[in-house]
Amino acid sequence: ETGVTQTPRHLVMGMTNKKSLKCEQHLGHNAMYWYKQSAKKPLELMFVYNFKEQTENNSVPSRFSPECPNSSHLFLHLHTLQPEDSALYLCASSQDTSVVPKNIQYFGAGTRLSVL
Amino acid sequence: AQSVTQLDSHVSVSEGTPVLLRCNYSSSYSPSLFWYVQHPNKGLQLLLKYTSAATLVKGINGFEAEFKKSETSFHLTKPSAHMSDAAEYFCVVSDAGGYNKLIFGAGTRLAVHP
Repeated sequence: ETGVTQTPRHLVMGMTNKKSLKCEQHLGHNAMYWYKQSAKKPLELMFVYNFKEQTENNSVPSRFSPECPNSSHLFLHLHTLQPEDSALYLCASSQDTSVVPKNIQYFGAGTRLSVL
Repeated sequence: AQSVTQLDSHVSVSEGTPVLLRCNYSSSYSPSLFWYVQHPNKGLQLLLKYTSAATLVKGINGFEAEFKKSETSFHLTKPSAHMSDAAEYFCVVSDAGGYNKLIFGAGTRLAVHP
């Protein structure tokens, strides 16, 4: 148990559905991250929030919409996804985004998303 | 620009034999380096970190890594593999200045045979 909880663990959705992924951290951290992990590809950083402010959007398509209402919660809202968006979506948190060790990231178990 | 290369996509060892997972990095600044492990259907767990202190870093579960600046390497080793070590391992680099984005390697899948 890393202190970062992601729900749901598995999600199957059609291309016209709207769904949300949730991440919650109990570590008192101020930075949260969304990553995409696809088969045979390196981990891709999607979004970064530091003290509830988005500090990085790594050219992510607008069909992915993040929300960070407070430092403990992070959402990823999904709509009109494509089959190639099927992947494991990982959430992470760190104390903040400054120097080591404050930026060491702790990961949740991920949400396995399948888009039909 | 930073980058990290894991030289082997798959490594297979017998239980009780040594493990070597190779990682080379490129960084414009003094890097921080990490190894993460991912067991099936789990998130990534931090194994160990190098942050410009001792060059030989000890981590959890008997793993260690040595930072070699002259070779730009940060290889992960373990003297004796256990079946529970079977997982995917990621080498990660982060520069020491400014915003610390983590750059992940492509991963090395370790298989351990009886």
